[in-house]
Amino acid sequence: GQNIDQPTEMTATEGAIVQINCTYQTSGFNGLFWYQQHAGEAPTFLSYNVLDGLEEKGRFSSFLSRSKGYSYLLLKELQMKDSASYLCAVMDSNYQLIWGAGTKLIIKP
Amino acid sequence: GAVVSQHPSWVICKSGTSVKIECRSLDFQATTMFWYRQFPKQSLMLMATSNEGSKATYEQGVEKDKFLINHASLTLSTLTVTSAHPEDSSFYICSAREYRQQETQYFGPGTRLLVL
Repeated sequence: GQNIDQPTEMTATEGAIVQINCTYQTSGFNGLFWYQQHAGEAPTFLSYNVLDGLEEKGRFSSFLSRSKGYSYLLLKELQMKDSASYLCAVMDSNYQLIWGAGTKLIIKP
Repeated sequence: GAVVSQHPSWVICKSGTSVKIECRSLDFQATTMFWYRQFPKQSLMLMATSNEGSKATYEQGVEKDKFLINHASLTLSTLTVTSAHPEDSSFYICSAREYRQQETQYFGPGTRLLVL
């Protein structure tokens, strides 16, 4: 079956760095996505990785290793507004998104 | 980036009534639209995938007679929750994909449904 695993909840301190991991097993692979979702709102796109390596976009970076079925989202210089759920999703061979359950990130002052 | 709108953003209705939710792609042609449901503190659950001009493909466990999906044009898909009950109360989110960009889905802002 298809499976996406990510931690349920993480806590970090304002100004620090946090890494949210995601492992996956899917039928085919057409890229991995990270979305941010604040409570009561729809997800917003953060990053897309289809090749191995690190993609940096401001304070956020996303890494992918296809051979290991592994990705992480790295958030630097954490701000209180970064408190949200972070969803990992993999696009399978049918271009369908397979969603992880999300990681709730709590930022403390 | 591309914009997807949903209407209404909030709806409260009595049990037994039907509710229609619209999803529109505002600046691109959405050959495929997806409907998701999300319960509190849970991840997105794909309900169905619709391609313009054809019948929607429903995920296992989703009743097609209860959740009617119509994707009549390249910019509009509708989800109708028929004979809604309190357990249908949820956050419904649509997303749209353009044919030339298979890897990109644009999400609407979501519709919160409360059935009394």
